[in-house]
Amino acid sequence: DGGITQSPKYLFRKEGQNVTLSCEQNLNHDAMYWYRQDPGQGLRLIYYSQIVNDFQKGDIAEGYSVSREKKESFPLTVTSAQKNPTAFYLCASSIWPNEQFFGPGTRLTVL
Amino acid sequence: AQSVTQLDSQVPVFEEAPVELRCNYSSSVSVYLFWYVQYPNQGLQLLLKYLSGSTLVKGINGFEAEFNKSQTSFHLRKPSVHISDTAEYFCAVSDPTNNNDMRFGAGTRLTVKP
Repeated sequence: DGGITQSPKYLFRKEGQNVTLSCEQNLNHDAMYWYRQDPGQGLRLIYYSQIVNDFQKGDIAEGYSVSREKKESFPLTVTSAQKNPTAFYLCASSIWPNEQFFGPGTRLTVL
Repeated sequence: AQSVTQLDSQVPVFEEAPVELRCNYSSSVSVYLFWYVQYPNQGLQLLLKYLSGSTLVKGINGFEAEFNKSQTSFHLRKPSVHISDTAEYFCAVSDPTNNNDMRFGAGTRLTVKP
């Protein structure tokens, strides 16, 4: 079955650590996205990528980094510069002009 | 840039009653509109979308929405809800000229009571 997978489902980070969230899709979509979800705030765009080896900052990119070395993969690194990283992170992909397809999410908690 | 306002943060309703979740958008250009549903600790699933054509859009699970350009609204409706419809619902708007600019509302928590 085609879809988007995210791992791990739950992730715990100590202060000062960098952590990487995985996102893989087998939908053959060109565009991929990372969102952060906080209670009562909807989804906010962190980074997006339209093609391999290219990505752009979204509204809240500070403290995050990404790479897009393969069409299928778009990992997100939460760096120690992100002061409030506890949130639910969602990865999505799309073929314009249709909807975005979402993965199951990763819940990150800072210890 | 476009934006979305979901007018109700929480909507409680009894089982088998009708429900309407309200969504208003602002944009200086034509838009694409979407409704997504999110169950606890899961990703978002598309309920329905409006790209063009008929303003009444039917989606999955018996939901429908009507695009009203003059009122800049895209309200979601279901004539009879079930307990299983309890979830968070998100309205989203995107700019047809910019495929990377999708904006989401803050969400409406629908709680269906027996």
